[in-house]
Amino acid sequence: GEDVEQSLFLSVREGDSSVINCTYTDSSSTYLYWYKQEPGAGLQLLTYIFSNMDMKQDQRLTVLLNKKDKHLSLRIADTQTGDSAIYFCACFSGGYQKVTFGIGTKLQVIP
Amino acid sequence: NAGVTQTPKFQVLKTGQSMTLQCAQDMNHNSMYWYRQDPGMGLRLIYYSASEGTTDKGEVPNGYNVSRLNKREFSLRLESAAPSQTSVYFCASSEDGHQPQHFGDGTRLSIL
Repeated sequence: GEDVEQSLFLSVREGDSSVINCTYTDSSSTYLYWYKQEPGAGLQLLTYIFSNMDMKQDQRLTVLLNKKDKHLSLRIADTQTGDSAIYFCACFSGGYQKVTFGIGTKLQVIP
Repeated sequence: NAGVTQTPKFQVLKTGQSMTLQCAQDMNHNSMYWYRQDPGMGLRLIYYSASEGTTDKGEVPNGYNVSRLNKREFSLRLESAAPSQTSVYFCASSEDGHQPQHFGDGTRLSIL
């Protein structure tokens, strides 16, 4: 099956940009998602990108996709303390016809 | 605008007891999912239902059963609970398999 990998932890200062990275293995992944999970809550969809796109911007969020390297990143501009959460990368594999989630990156924002 | 609703939010069981976790969605979605989330393991798919009337095993189905009661509801049953099933359980739904999934707030289940 597909593997989706993320680093476990990222710490940034309030006001800086955060970049959370993700790599995946299935080159037929067609939809790639970013979810946010706050303590005690479920996963909330932040944004997603189709595989025929290189970039998507939505207010403070920028998603970059490098299909050649199978690398996805989420950039959060002007990071705030409210952005502290776990961020999950997920990919829909065209080959396996299912969504695979990464293990999640815990973002800590230091005031 | 409820989205995905899970009940109960918390439950403590003794080993060997049975229990059903309930999930309902009001978005008219075709696909529904059950996941478990454990520290260091991320999200693991237990069962899913691509459409009303169908269910399929996911990555970790042993010890669980599911019922897609109708388009709205998808329940998860533990017939004989074991301590290894202590976890946070999430239900999710999506319009179709590749569309983004919407999650409930989870059920925190402890088995003693």
